[in-house]
Amino acid sequence: DAGITQSPRHKVTETGTPVTLRCHQTENHRYMYWYRQDPGHGLRLIHYSYGVKDTDKGEVSDGYSVSRSKTEDFLLTLESATSSQTSVYFCAISDGGANQPQHFGDGTRLSIL
Amino acid sequence: RKEVEQDPGPFNVPEGATVAFNCTYSNSASQSFFWYRQDCRKEPKLLMSVYSSGNEDGRFTAQLNRASQYISLLIRDSKLSDSATYLCVVNKGGGYQKVTFGTGTKLQVIP
Repeated sequence: DAGITQSPRHKVTETGTPVTLRCHQTENHRYMYWYRQDPGHGLRLIHYSYGVKDTDKGEVSDGYSVSRSKTEDFLLTLESATSSQTSVYFCAISDGGANQPQHFGDGTRLSIL
Repeated sequence: RKEVEQDPGPFNVPEGATVAFNCTYSNSASQSFFWYRQDCRKEPKLLMSVYSSGNEDGRFTAQLNRASQYISLLIRDSKLSDSATYLCVVNKGGGYQKVTFGTGTKLQVIP
């Protein structure tokens, strides 16, 4: 399995609080991604990174920010969590190229009350 | 029309049966295609890439039909352990590997 670790694995928090999810990889892959998965929507891209300090928005980026200060770490922050951000969050990595698949971490189950 | 569409199922099949799923995509310029499987409450895992010439991995066969814009996954001799949701993934290209995931087809293999 690809060396991807997400933390925390589960989190329950209250509306309005800041939340940071961490993705750590040991594969030295260039590309990292954050997705959320909700029933009926499949996986939707929040933000992605194509290198250290290089990030871009995905299709559902509102309310989220990211940072990548090292190749191995990609952080996802919810500045002020809302109940609509209750979801399962997956980090993925790839070494780029159109024919290269992405590999996923175990996921973080986030509940915002 | 959704970019990637899959029949959500569930497909309930007996052990040993052959089952096939299709996935249609709307962007004719799509460059690469994949099938993932996802078990309940787990992460998606790559099952196989889909090549233009079709490809096979054991009991699994994937095919691409660019003219009709769909990919297919065939599972022969179904096992109980094949029960999962199968996600179709399409890479639109464009530089940073922007992919679109289907919502998945659920397969339940019955003893």
